[in-house]
Amino acid sequence: DIQMTQSPSSLPASLGDRVTITCRSIQDIGNYLRWFQQKPGKSPRLLIYGATNLAAGVPSRFSGSRSGSDYSLTISSLESEDMADYYCLQSSESPFTFGAGTKLELK
Amino acid sequence: QVQLKESGPGLIQPSQTLSLTCTVSGLSLTSNSVSWIRQSPGKGLEWMGVIWRNGGTDYNSAIKSRLSITRDTSKSQVFLELNSLQTEDSAMYFCAGSWFAYWGQGTLVTVSS
Repeated sequence: DIQMTQSPSSLPASLGDRVTITCRSIQDIGNYLRWFQQKPGKSPRLLIYGATNLAAGVPSRFSGSRSGSDYSLTISSLESEDMADYYCLQSSESPFTFGAGTKLELK
Repeated sequence: QVQLKESGPGLIQPSQTLSLTCTVSGLSLTSNSVSWIRQSPGKGLEWMGVIWRNGGTDYNSAIKSRLSITRDTSKSQVFLELNSLQTEDSAMYFCAGSWFAYWGQGTLVTVSS
């Protein structure tokens, strides 16, 4: 199974900050990487697919990038509504696997 | 619009078999895959398995021996069966379609005697 190493597990940040969350895969997953946002008591929401493509309705302050086997989700200017848990998912090879998650919270 | 809705027993005893239904609207099961994902309280997301648009399936290695995903395209429903339940199977269970673009609200399953 492909293991996704997500970091950090917790990210204290201030409103207006630029924040980055990273997932790393030892095996090649190409661009088969998705990012999700989950708020307490809610279902996950797709933010990014194909490593860099913004899903419909997602604000442009969210972006995805890839550098080799490192995949990043960046929020350019943090807003209060962005406080949530974030997960990556590789869908290159079954079984699909999620990263362990990042809790984004106010500093 | 696209909607997915999970339904299930809520409370179930250890060793029994869990049966969940995902009812899908606005999305053709013969054109889209549907995955099941679960989340234990306070924990992360765990992908359980998928039924592909051709009806084939793939499962999480850790639970493959206990899991079955099927569908009824005429009713636009996807089913999950997980047997030999343990307390560790207590979780919120979600179904998601169209490559995770659409999610149900989830159904909470508690395994307890």
